[in-house]
Amino acid sequence: EVQLVQSGAEVKKPGESLKMSCKGSGYSFATYWIGWVRQTPAKGLEWMGIIYPDDSDIKYSPSFQGQVTLSADKSISTAYLQWRSLKASDSAMYYCARMGASGHFDSWGQGALVTVSS
Amino acid sequence: EIVLTQSPGTLSLSPGERVTLSCRASQSVSSNYLAWYQQKPGQAPRLLIFDASIRATAIPDRFSGSGSGTDFTLTISRLEPEDFAVYYCHQYANSPLTFGGGTKVEI
Repeated sequence: EVQLVQSGAEVKKPGESLKMSCKGSGYSFATYWIGWVRQTPAKGLEWMGIIYPDDSDIKYSPSFQGQVTLSADKSISTAYLQWRSLKASDSAMYYCARMGASGHFDSWGQGALVTVSS
Repeated sequence: EIVLTQSPGTLSLSPGERVTLSCRASQSVSSNYLAWYQQKPGQAPRLLIFDASIRATAIPDRFSGSGSGTDFTLTISRLEPEDFAVYYCHQYANSPLTFGGGTKVEI
């Protein structure tokens, strides 16, 4: 069974850094793109970017380029989403998801809630 | 960027009814690279349909997708109690990938 398990909820202050994880199992992790999606009540679902764990090829959404960093460690089947300096506007639910052959997201992590507040 | 507009925003229905959800794209979605997801409160989205009309694994056949170009439809032939949720369309033909704003199906 394909599973993506994300790290837990985080409460951070503005300016702090954060690195969240997404561990895959039940499939060949290195050979499927992993995407990250942000969800907020105001903007709904937003695609942030995708990473190919085998060679760490990355494609960012223009809206998130320079704001976050995607990475992956195929040796431990884990993808990461990182911020250097959080803002209140980064408060959201974040999902990782496996990308299927044609580009849809066929399996999703359980989500991780990030709250950024002073 | 392809903008996806879903209508209606909310549907109030009863179990057993047939429902048709619409997703309209601001430009043609090539190769019909459009998916539908279901999301229930406190849960992640779940893939229902991809490539406009292919049901994902373990999705009941009461769910069907159709359409091409700029107009796509998700149909639920007979609503079951567990189908009350929010439904999103998603295009993955062009970067940036985009999602519709969702249609809530409520009792």
